[in-house]
Amino acid sequence: KAGVTQTPRYLIKTRGQQVTLSCSPISGHRSVSWYQQTPGQGLQFLFEYFSETQRNKGNFPGRFSGRQFSNSRSEMNVSTLELGDSALYLCASSLLPDSTYEQYFGPGTRLTVT
Amino acid sequence: DQQVKQNSPSLSVQEGRISILNCDYTNSMFDYFLWYKKYPAEGPTFLISISSIKDKNEDGRFTVFLNKSAKHLSLHIVPSQPGDSAVYFCAASVGGSARQLTFGSGTQLTVLP
Repeated sequence: KAGVTQTPRYLIKTRGQQVTLSCSPISGHRSVSWYQQTPGQGLQFLFEYFSETQRNKGNFPGRFSGRQFSNSRSEMNVSTLELGDSALYLCASSLLPDSTYEQYFGPGTRLTVT
Repeated sequence: DQQVKQNSPSLSVQEGRISILNCDYTNSMFDYFLWYKKYPAEGPTFLISISSIKDKNEDGRFTVFLNKSAKHLSLHIVPSQPGDSAVYFCAASVGGSARQLTFGSGTQLTVLP
């Protein structure tokens, strides 16, 4: 069974640009969560999607947005990029958005903003 | 401000000995705690969890201890093996859920053969 896949794996963007990251969950998984990992802050929760609806959102500005498609694939978008957005963005999937279902993480997308 | 802190960025242990990784938290609303292991170029993988109604949970070589009064948890690995070398993240959540996790900054464990 294929794991969580994230594309692209690496990305370099310039300040002010926007970026879209993609996440394909494990087959059959319907819940997708996004996290940002930076050296100083560790992993921080961005948002969670289930059935194409955002269920929860972390403490991030509105420049960070996401969506989920009917096949459970998810994208996150960051507009007006800032240097501080440079991070590893991790996606995690689980069967359902229930605490009893373990989350499986993808390898992440490394975003560098110059 | 970091609500989950792992104050040791790195730890080296001899193979066969005990590894103890520590984690402190400040939010008293946290009631579910997890440990994840991360190898380079891979996403974190779930290791073990503990609910705030318990003070200990074991799974094979891994044991997690929770001290609620001190807002401290620790992960013990006995015996440590070279394959345990990885970054270990402590995470916490509210409402007994493994969702909306707040992570620590991680501890790099190196097990020396």
